[in-house]
Amino acid sequence: GQQLNQSPQSMFIQEGEDVSMNCTSSSIFNTWLWYKQDPGEGPVLLIALYKAGELTSNGRLTAQFGITRKDSFLNISASIPSDVGIYFCAGMNYGGSQGNLIFGKGTKLSVKP
Amino acid sequence: ETGVTQSPTHLIKTRGQQVTLRCSSQSGHNTVSWYQQALGQGPQFIFQYYREEENGRGNFPPRFSGLQFPNYSSELNVNALELDDSALYLCASSLAHRETQYFGPGTRLLVL
Repeated sequence: GQQLNQSPQSMFIQEGEDVSMNCTSSSIFNTWLWYKQDPGEGPVLLIALYKAGELTSNGRLTAQFGITRKDSFLNISASIPSDVGIYFCAGMNYGGSQGNLIFGKGTKLSVKP
Repeated sequence: ETGVTQSPTHLIKTRGQQVTLRCSSQSGHNTVSWYQQALGQGPQFIFQYYREEENGRGNFPPRFSGLQFPNYSSELNVNALELDDSALYLCASSLAHRETQYFGPGTRLLVL
């Protein structure tokens, strides 16, 4: 199935570091969403973006909806151990009458050894 | 406010069997979407139900079918299970069919 290009695939963080990840698509989306998934759990919504150029924060998390509507990024400032997990971007199209999500493959955040 | 719930949490079936997974949507939500997540991958859209009607379908064969009930809860049925159907099945609910989706904890299905 169709997927977004999400990078990096994985990264190691040290407590206090800032983290950046992004997502690109060949298609335009009307909505960009960022989710975090812990092992054995469902994805938890972090930030929703509804308008091109929109910059939205949720605590230490900041995300932007790209001007071209084909990309989005997520920044985490001053990372803490509980930030470890898998982060997914998802785009929503309003094609036809449905509103299904198309997901990236995820960015896995781990603690630096 | 109760979030999205799914049952069962885990399930083991053998090839060729049939399975039914259940989802209760968040209070006030009339749309349920189902996703399949293979290990190491992002979720893949199976189908969506809006006001008890199928409202879009991903690239999944007809042996994947669903229902939505008047209280907006939903079922996912898979017939003639194959080994590749082993995955985490996620249900998400939303206020309407184009609104932000909130996920349940998933059902882990293992097909032997």
